[in-house]
Amino acid sequence: QITLKESGPTVVEPTQTLTLTCSFSGFSVSTNGMRVGWFRRPPGKALEWLALIYWDDDKRYRPSLGNRVSIYADTSKDQVVLTMTNMGPEDTATYFCARSHDYYYGLDVWGQGTTVTVSS
Amino acid sequence: YVLTQPPSVSVAPGQTARVTCGGDDIETKTVHWYQQRPGQAPLLVLYADRGRPSGIPERFSGSNSGNTATLTISRVEAGDEADYYCQIWEPGADHLVFGGGTKLTV
Repeated sequence: QITLKESGPTVVEPTQTLTLTCSFSGFSVSTNGMRVGWFRRPPGKALEWLALIYWDDDKRYRPSLGNRVSIYADTSKDQVVLTMTNMGPEDTATYFCARSHDYYYGLDVWGQGTTVTVSS
Repeated sequence: YVLTQPPSVSVAPGQTARVTCGGDDIETKTVHWYQQRPGQAPLLVLYADRGRPSGIPERFSGSNSGNTATLTISRVEAGDEADYYCQIWEPGADHLVFGGGTKLTV
């Protein structure tokens, strides 16, 4: 069974750095074709993609985030970690991780999500 | 690359709902569709324009032609009420792009 689960702080103060962990089981991020991504949905707004890491450690980021976001995989722990710097109120959202084993098949398994509120 | 969806679609139970996703020459792209019910994670309902993942009812179907991809839900049920998103992988940049989402009201 393939599962993913997000974890991290529920509240972050403005200007702080957010670190979220996606812990997964049932697959390896190093398998050819595999990719794990981070996504979020702010209240009242649409789902948006943030970052993606590929089986070969290639990485892609949402252009509008500039260098605020980074992603890495800890293959020894079966985890993918997202960091986002200089958090602001507009970053309040539910954050999800999801995997895709091939671009043709879409994002076939998602975590349950974790809600992050940016507030002092 | 921009994907354009209508903000809302309303349909009576038992009828057919069609959710569109517009994009420049989208027929050359591989389009995926996700359902997101309130308070839940997104769920893949169609992959590669018209493929149905295991467990997705046959009532969900898709097409992709010209500048429009379409998710069709036949015999709509109350449980289909959700937000629906189309998504592609942007060629070259390998970025993911989502449409703005469509709220389906039953």
